[in-house]
Amino acid sequence: AQSVTQPDIHITVSEGASLELRCNYSYGATPYLFWYVQSPGQGLQLLLKYFSGDTLVQGIKGFEAEFKRSQSSFNLRKPSVHWSDAAEYFCAVGRMDSSYKLIFGSGTRLLVRP
Amino acid sequence: NAGVTQTPKFQVLKTGQSMTLQCAQDMNHNSMYWYRQDPGMGLRLIYYSASEGTTDKGEVPNGYNVSRLNKREFSLRLESAAPSQTSVYFCASKEERGTDTQYFGPGTRLTVL
Repeated sequence: AQSVTQPDIHITVSEGASLELRCNYSYGATPYLFWYVQSPGQGLQLLLKYFSGDTLVQGIKGFEAEFKRSQSSFNLRKPSVHWSDAAEYFCAVGRMDSSYKLIFGSGTRLLVRP
Repeated sequence: NAGVTQTPKFQVLKTGQSMTLQCAQDMNHNSMYWYRQDPGMGLRLIYYSASEGTTDKGEVPNGYNVSRLNKREFSLRLESAAPSQTSVYFCASKEERGTDTQYFGPGTRLTVL
């Protein structure tokens, strides 16, 4: 069965520190991978995505993620966290067909200490 | 460009009442989706519509119906609301080429008493 696991429910980092949010997936074919961010009371905004090619992808707001097929992982990173990055982050996996359904992980809530 | 809009933003229902959540997009997207978001469970797909006139069930369709009224609008109906349907509901649409990104609306927070 297809699934996405985000093992960390909450993560707290200090402002200026580096960040890594973990995402592991189970998928039968080559996956299409996404990271979305949700600020409180808001909808989801796409941070970055991986379809093919270079396994290190750059996104908005200084985020990047690396696809590692051997580890079935797509971890999100940022070298220096800002207070405005406090939000909930969702990893998702999908496929390219007519339905293009996404399967979401349960999310990781990021708290930023001043 | 308003993107994806949803109405209402908040709603409180009593058990057994019915209501329709409205969603519209102005990006000329063919595909539209309804998700529900519950604490600790991420987003789960309720129904989707790959094109005008077609709808298909997602992961959690029970207790819901949908209508793809036209290319712009995709509504979600609860015929007889239950407390288990208390959730935040998101509508999304997907562009057809290029990045194939799903764009989300701001959500509807529904409470069923």
